[in-house]
Amino acid sequence: QSVLTQPPSVSGTPGQGVTISCSGSFSNIGSNTVNWFQQLPGTAPKLLIYTSDQRPSGVPDRFSGSKSGTSASLAISGLQSEDEADYYCATWDDTLKGWVFGGGTKLTVL
Amino acid sequence: QVQFIQSGAEVKKPGASVKVSCKASGNTFTNFHLHWVRQAPGQGLEWMALINPTYGATAYAQKFLGRVSVTWDTSTSTVNMDLSSLTSKDTAVYYCAASNGWYAVFEQWGQGTLVTVSS
Repeated sequence: QSVLTQPPSVSGTPGQGVTISCSGSFSNIGSNTVNWFQQLPGTAPKLLIYTSDQRPSGVPDRFSGSKSGTSASLAISGLQSEDEADYYCATWDDTLKGWVFGGGTKLTVL
Repeated sequence: QVQFIQSGAEVKKPGASVKVSCKASGNTFTNFHLHWVRQAPGQGLEWMALINPTYGATAYAQKFLGRVSVTWDTSTSTVNMDLSSLTSKDTAVYYCAASNGWYAVFEQWGQGTLVTVSS
């Protein structure tokens, strides 16, 4: 099982908003910033959010991130069909001295 | 912009070792840190290792200690990841990914290399 906990799946209809949670502990999310990746089928992951709430150039502002304590969230507003993908959270773990991922959340746009 | 090109797919027998390479094309390579992340079929992402090519410093996930080695080849500007004592559970796509620092997130990814372990 993964060090960071994510829901296996979420779904929404076009135009709606969804939130994906990522739960950890003091040694990882509680002490470090969180990053989010989007992975479309058959492709390499793409950085979506870094340092908890920053978007790389080119990522639509429909995607936003936040962190509080030992949990983080990715919010997607105005769902579009092309948002259908797997989403992963990731951060450094001070105890494990390595990077850790969430198990991933599959977003389905109904 | 720097691109990271990985070596081709591999098929290995249980007990064997595999080397997967990641070469940067474009800008200088040694300003980056290189990570290795793998993804088994239908599974999530799993961080394996990290190298700072400038100093050769490395970090490995506890799960892979003693079985994985990451090295930097200065002559070819390539990072190599060696994984030994392969089992079927090592069948996965292996990605290299670059960051700007030890604790910085990996921003750019290679295309992935499929390693299949089968008797």
